Amino acid sequence: DIQMTQSPSSLSASVGDRVTITCRASQSINSYLNWYQQKPGKAPKLLIYAASSLQSGVPSRFSGSGSGTDFTLTIRSLQPEDFATYYCQQSYSTPPRTFGQGTKVEIK
Amino acid sequence: QVQLVESGGGLVKPGGSLRLSCAASGFIFSDYYMSWIRQAPGMGLEWISRISSRDTNIYYADSVKGRFTISRDNAKNSLYLQMNSLRAEDTAVYYCAREGGGGWAETDYWGQGTLVTVSS
Repeated sequence: DIQMTQSPSSLSASVGDRVTITCRASQSINSYLNWYQQKPGKAPKLLIYAASSLQSGVPSRFSGSGSGTDFTLTIRSLQPEDFATYYCQQSYSTPPRTFGQGTKVEIK
Repeated sequence: QVQLVESGGGLVKPGGSLRLSCAASGFIFSDYYMSWIRQAPGMGLEWISRISSRDTNIYYADSVKGRFTISRDNAKNSLYLQMNSLRAEDTAVYYCAREGGGGWAETDYWGQGTLVTVSS
């Protein structure tokens, strides 16, 4: 199975900050890497697919990069509505379609 | 617009069974792979099963293999998850999800989730 490791597990940031979350795969997954945002009590929402493609309707302050085993989600200028938990997921191989353990972005 | 609505969750005793349903609308259901993903209370996301558009390919996580069965009825635009031999560790919110059709297999739409509680 491909393991996905996110870091950090949590971070505190202020509105306007630039935030970076990393995700590492245990083997190459090319660009089959997706990022999701989840707010408390809600279903996850797709932000980025194929490592760097912005899902329709997602603000351009979100961006993704990377390929192979190392990936990054960047929020250019953190907004109040961005405080949430973020997950990466590999869609390169099944089963399983592993998720990272999540990164909780909290208000500083 | 795409909608996925789960139902069938509830309280069940260990060893019991439950069948979850997901009603899909707003897209051509028979064109898309579908998945079930769960989230235990306070925990992360766990992918558990995936079914191809014509149910020719089915996959399970090791944690549910042999106990859970995914199925679909394209005529009814519905996805199902039959859960048998339930354990306390199966307690979670279960999400029905659609896999995008562009070749990257991202999960582009999620239902609101249905809570399954396994407890005596």
